[in-house]
Amino acid sequence: DSGVTQTPKHLITATGQRVTLRCSPRSGDLSVYWYQQSLDQGLQFLIHYYNGEERAKGNILERFSAQQFPDLHSELNLSSLELGDSALYFCASSARLAGSRGANVLTFGAGSRLTVL
Amino acid sequence: AQRVTQPEKLLSVFKGAPVELKCNYSYSGSPELFWYVQYSRQRLQLLLRHISRESIKGFTADLNKGETSFHLKKPFAQEEDSAMYYCALSDAGGTSYGKLTFGQGTILTVHP
Repeated sequence: DSGVTQTPKHLITATGQRVTLRCSPRSGDLSVYWYQQSLDQGLQFLIHYYNGEERAKGNILERFSAQQFPDLHSELNLSSLELGDSALYFCASSARLAGSRGANVLTFGAGSRLTVL
Repeated sequence: AQRVTQPEKLLSVFKGAPVELKCNYSYSGSPELFWYVQYSRQRLQLLLRHISRESIKGFTADLNKGETSFHLKKPFAQEEDSAMYYCALSDAGGTSYGKLTFGQGTILTVHP
C-alpha cells in the first residue's frame, strides 16, 4: 500500500453521465496530482493542487473539474461522459513544498478504472 | 515546454540478455529525470531518479545532458522485469511546481 487511496477502483457508467473520483493523499502530503492513462494517449497530466489551491493545469477537458478539500483529499469530477473518457485515472501525491527545488517524487494510487458504455 | 520521448513502444528480450530502454527529453531548464515502473495491474512505482545515482533491481540510468537522454539499462534481464516503464521529467521551477511529464511508455517483455 503506497498510502495514496483512490475510490472507486472500478466504475462503469453510460455516456452523458457524471462521476466523481476520490483521492486521499499520503499522510502529510500537500500536493495532489491527477493523471489519465489511456491506451492511445499514455499518461496525461490533468491537474495539480497544492494545499487546496490549483497550481497547474494540463490536458484537462472543460467537462472535467477537480478540487482539493481542507482535509487535503481531492475529487475529480467527470461530466457529460463520452466513450473516449474510458481510462485509468491515477492520483498521486507529493510531500514537496510548492516552488522548492529538489527531486519531486510522486507516490501513486492504484487508480480508478472508468468504463463508459 | 518539456517533452519526453520513449521511441520504443514494445521491447522484447530473452532472460539474461542486456536491456536498454531509451528515453530522450527536451527541456529548457535543469531537468529532474525519473523512471517509473508499472507491473501488470499494479500502480506506478518509482524505480529510480537521476539525482540519487542509485541502482534499483539491477537497473541504472545516467543523465546525459549533451544528448538529452536518460536511458534505463540492465545488464541481465529477468522475467520479473516484464512491465511497462515510463520515463518522466519534472519541471522543478516555474508555475507548475514539479508536475511530471511522462513519455509514452515502453512495454518490456522478458522471455524465458
